[in-house]
Amino acid sequence: DTGVSQDPRHKITKRGQNVTFRCDPISEHNRLYWYRQTLGQGPEFLTYFQNEAQLEKSRLLSDRFSAERPKGSFSTLEIQRTEQGDSAMYLCASSFDRAEQYFGPGTRLTVT
Amino acid sequence: GESVGLHLPTLSVQEGDNSIINCAYSNSASDYFIWYKQESGKGPQFIIDIRSNMDKRQGQRVTVLLNKTVKHLSLQIAATQPGDSAVYFCAEKENQAGTALIFGKGTTLSVSS
Repeated sequence: DTGVSQDPRHKITKRGQNVTFRCDPISEHNRLYWYRQTLGQGPEFLTYFQNEAQLEKSRLLSDRFSAERPKGSFSTLEIQRTEQGDSAMYLCASSFDRAEQYFGPGTRLTVT
Repeated sequence: GESVGLHLPTLSVQEGDNSIINCAYSNSASDYFIWYKQESGKGPQFIIDIRSNMDKRQGQRVTVLLNKTVKHLSLQIAATQPGDSAVYFCAEKENQAGTALIFGKGTTLSVSS
C-alpha cells in the first residue's frame, strides 16, 4: 500500500499524559498536513509542512501541541498534558506541491 | 468566521437513483473547491475538484456544479450504489496554491438496496 499511513490507529490515554502520533506520507509528496476531526464535524486544519519546514499553524494548535518533520519525510504530532477536549481523530494528509491532498486513515485519540 | 457548510445532514436514496448533495459557502474569496468521501473509520477520500473559472466538471459517475452567484456547490452521483454510502464533505481553498482546506460539516448518504 503506497498511501498515507498513520500510527497508531487508536490511542487511549489518561488526562495529563503525553501522546505522540506518526504520519508517513506518500513518498514523493513534499507537503504534509495535520488536521483534527471531532465527531460529526469536518476536519479542521492544524499545521502544514513543506519538506521539513513548518510553514503554517492554525490558532487551534495550542502550545501543548508540537509537530515535526525532521527529514522532510515522516512527521510526528505530540500533545503534551492531554485534556479531554483533545479527544478527536487526528488526520494526516500529503500532497505534491499544490495538487490534491491525500488523507491517511487517522489516529483516534480518547482521553479519559 | 467564514466557512463552508452543507444544507442537509442526511440523505437517503434507493440503489440506482441519482443523488444530489449540496453545499453552500460564504467566503467569496474561495476559488477552489473539492468534494471528499469519508467512510466509517477511514480518512477522507478525494472525489473531484473544481476551480471557480468553471461551472461544471464531470468525473466517473460524479458531476460537480458550481454557482458562484449564489455561492453554491453540488455533487451529483449517478446510479447510486450501496458502496456510495458515506459522509460527503465539500471543502474550499482561497486558491489552489493555498494550503489549508476548510471543510463543512458533511452530509451522510445512505443507499438502500
